[in-house]
Amino acid sequence: AQKVTQAQTEISVVEKEDVTLDCVYETRDTTYYLFWYKQPPSGELVFLIRRNSFDEQNEISGRYSWNFQKSTSSFNFTITASQVVDSAVYFCALSPTNQAGTALIFGKGTTLSVSS
Amino acid sequence: EPEVTQTPSHQVTQMGQEVILRCVPISNHLYFYWYRQILGQKVEFLVSFYNNEISEKSEIFDDQFSVERPDGSNFTLKIRSTKLEDSAMYFCASSGQGRIMPQHFGDGTRLSIL
Repeated sequence: AQKVTQAQTEISVVEKEDVTLDCVYETRDTTYYLFWYKQPPSGELVFLIRRNSFDEQNEISGRYSWNFQKSTSSFNFTITASQVVDSAVYFCALSPTNQAGTALIFGKGTTLSVSS
Repeated sequence: EPEVTQTPSHQVTQMGQEVILRCVPISNHLYFYWYRQILGQKVEFLVSFYNNEISEKSEIFDDQFSVERPDGSNFTLKIRSTKLEDSAMYFCASSGQGRIMPQHFGDGTRLSIL
């Protein structure tokens, strides 16, 4: 079965705190891709990052960093020094093949609230 | 930066009516998708479209639904005989050629069935 689990439904932090959003995935495919999307209160889905199953290097982009561990089937997302503008629903998603045009399987999302 | 455009942003329709949701994908993209998100729930795949035909569809995408690329720029989702449970946000997405390219989403159409 292919599945994405985001166990944290809601997280509340105060500005400048670091926060990690967890994502655990299940797939039998050896080649797959993982994604994170952000959905701000305005509702659109914004692509953040793509990672393929052969690339376990962690990635940092400004205040965002991603930790991919195949051994635990996890692809966690950390926001350093959170800001109010980071308040959104964050979705982890899986593409269980390397074929273009494949459906994304989304987790249920984690709602992050950052207060000032 | 090129973006996926969806119209209308909000559609209110009486139950039983037909509705057409419209999307203009990013111009050099070849793969097109529709997803829906019922309020407060996760994003669910409906259908993908490539080379003028459906390449994959979910169980949700039954005979009530159809997709079309009527010209070189638009990609539409038609829902026939709408039901209350069709109320949701519908997202169009597109992706480029090559191994899994990110799907870029439009801002969505909020469909409300009364």
